[in-house]
Amino acid sequence: GAVVSQHPSRVICKSGTSVKIECRSLDFQATTMFWYRQFPKQSLMLMATSNEGSKATYEQGVEKDKFLINHASLTLSTLTVTSAHPEDSSFYICSTLIADSSYNEQFFGPGTRLTVL
Amino acid sequence: SQKIEQNSEALNIQEGKTATLTCNYTNYSPAYLQWYRQDPGRGPVFLLLIRENEKEKRKERLKVTFDTTLKQSLFHITASQPADSATYLCALLMFSGGYNKLIFGAGTRLAVHP
Repeated sequence: GAVVSQHPSRVICKSGTSVKIECRSLDFQATTMFWYRQFPKQSLMLMATSNEGSKATYEQGVEKDKFLINHASLTLSTLTVTSAHPEDSSFYICSTLIADSSYNEQFFGPGTRLTVL
Repeated sequence: SQKIEQNSEALNIQEGKTATLTCNYTNYSPAYLQWYRQDPGRGPVFLLLIRENEKEKRKERLKVTFDTTLKQSLFHITASQPADSATYLCALLMFSGGYNKLIFGAGTRLAVHP
């Protein structure tokens, strides 16, 4: 299967700072990547869909100016949490979808644990 | 909007028994229903996919059923092992806004005791 990496795996920052999370597809080209957020013991919530070379599509309730997504190449998408606050502390996971005529499967990165003090 | 319900309580079973996890959804049936495994602090890992026109799908010790009348999927792990202990997520693949996206349930935590 496809391999997706994320960096960093953990980050602790002060309130008000910005944090960038990278998501890379290591062995294939990903035109579409997804960003999820997961709070403890809760489901993964889709934040946005990142398309290479175009603007990201954000889910309802997700602030596009706070969560900046850039998908500048077919192997890299970045999520920047701007002016982070303690309530932004969460587990952020990216994934990509490999689609063909008969199969759809998402490959997830290992996640990034963000803690905002 | 589509809602997915999984038993939020942890499922505790004895090693060797069959674990059965339930996923119920509201509204329309999706084209695909998927099951993922998630270990603590890790991203989900794909296990099985079942299409709306399929009743059952098997993969080694795993079996998934899909009943579009009941709007329910059951996920079975036979001959369970302690290594099967994890959270299992049900997800529906929806086509929206020109692309596919997954909507996840909250997951059921399975604990297999030796």
